[in-house]
Order: sequence, then structure tokens, then C-alpha cells
Amino acid sequence: NAGVTQTPKFRVLKTGQSMTLLCAQDMNHEYMYWYRQDPGMGLRLIHYSVGEGTTAKGEVPDGYNVSRLKKQNFLLGLESAAPSQTSVYFCASRRPPSPLHFGNGTRLTVT
Amino acid sequence: DQQVKQNSPSLSVQEGRISILNCDYTNSMFDYFLWYKKYPAEGPTFLISISSIKDKNEDGRFTVFLNKSAKHLSLHIVPSQPGDSAVYFCAASAETSGSRLTFGEGTQLTVNP
Repeated sequence: NAGVTQTPKFRVLKTGQSMTLLCAQDMNHEYMYWYRQDPGMGLRLIHYSVGEGTTAKGEVPDGYNVSRLKKQNFLLGLESAAPSQTSVYFCASRRPPSPLHFGNGTRLTVT
Repeated sequence: DQQVKQNSPSLSVQEGRISILNCDYTNSMFDYFLWYKKYPAEGPTFLISISSIKDKNEDGRFTVFLNKSAKHLSLHIVPSQPGDSAVYFCAASAETSGSRLTFGEGTQLTVNP
């Protein structure tokens, strides 16, 4: 029973490089989310999806893109990484009205 | 504009005593509130929730109180245990915003043996 799995767990990028974070859930949840956690700022919503093929912007979407081609996967892309994107990224999923289930996070450092 | 605020970054209590974590919100459209608990190197896990039609919800050692007029909620843990040491996040949502949760900054709770 894996729940929500995020890969990779850690990554170091240079400014300007690109990468994709993968989130996979095996609970058949309709809704999926990407959050970032920064010290003193809590969890902020980047993008979310309410179903396969749909995405929407959250509070802090700039610099990120997402895709939900399959129901179980939600990808977060950084086209040109910046130091301000150094953060811990959490993916979550849910089937309303149940609460969010989170993955264990991806720690990204951009130098 | 921080719509959900946890003004105490940290709280330290003795084992067996009560822990009280506080959360304030500004958006009057919020109608559902949750508390999440987070250990280091793990994702947040759901702890307890409350709907705006209630003012109290209890689950074992955990009780959440909601004061709508003051736009304030609190989480009480009685008795506190060393295993409760974690970061606690308050979160809120509004029916009109669909499934979007807005989180507070978090409070680091340390329970000393």
C-alpha cells in the first residue's frame, strides 16, 4: 500500500536547468496537488488537478508547469530553475470529502 | 496576504500536560478546518478536522475548538506525549474554492519527558 510516492527524494540543480518531479498515487484519487514548503511560510499551493487532463493554478504558480495525463500521475516541471525555487515540494491527493494524503516530499536545491 | 496564521512558531510543554496550539484566519468564507501533523523527512498527516457548523470536535487525546466570531481555532492535546513532538499545521477551505486548502505557517511542538 504505497499511497503517494514522490520521485526523486533529493535533487540539486544549477540555475537555468530544468527538471520534472513525479508524483504517483495508487488510491484512485481524482484530485492531486503540488505544494511547496518554505521556512516560516507553511505549505503553499502551486498547481492542482481535479481530474485526468485538467490542471489549475494555485497561490504560487509562476515558474512551474504541470501535467496530468494519467489519473494516477501528476508531474511538476521547472523549465528554468531559479534559486528562489529551492524548497521542499509535497504532492498530495484526495477523494472528497476525505482529507489530503501527502507524499514524503522532494528536497530541491537550486544553486 | 496570509489568510491562515499560526502566530507561535514553537511551543514547549512537559509530558502529561496540555498542549494548546492556536490558529487565526481572516477569510470569512472558510467553512472547514483541519489540523495536520508533520514529522521530519515525512509528509504531513491528517490529524483532526471540524466543520463550521460545529464548535468542538474530539478524537481521543485531540480536541479542536472553533470560535467563528473570533475567527480562531485551537488544537488541544491532553495528555501530551513525547511522540507528539512534531510540526502542526492548521488548514482551512471554503466550499466556494473547491478542494483548495490554505495552510498556516506551522507550530513546532516539543513535548519534554
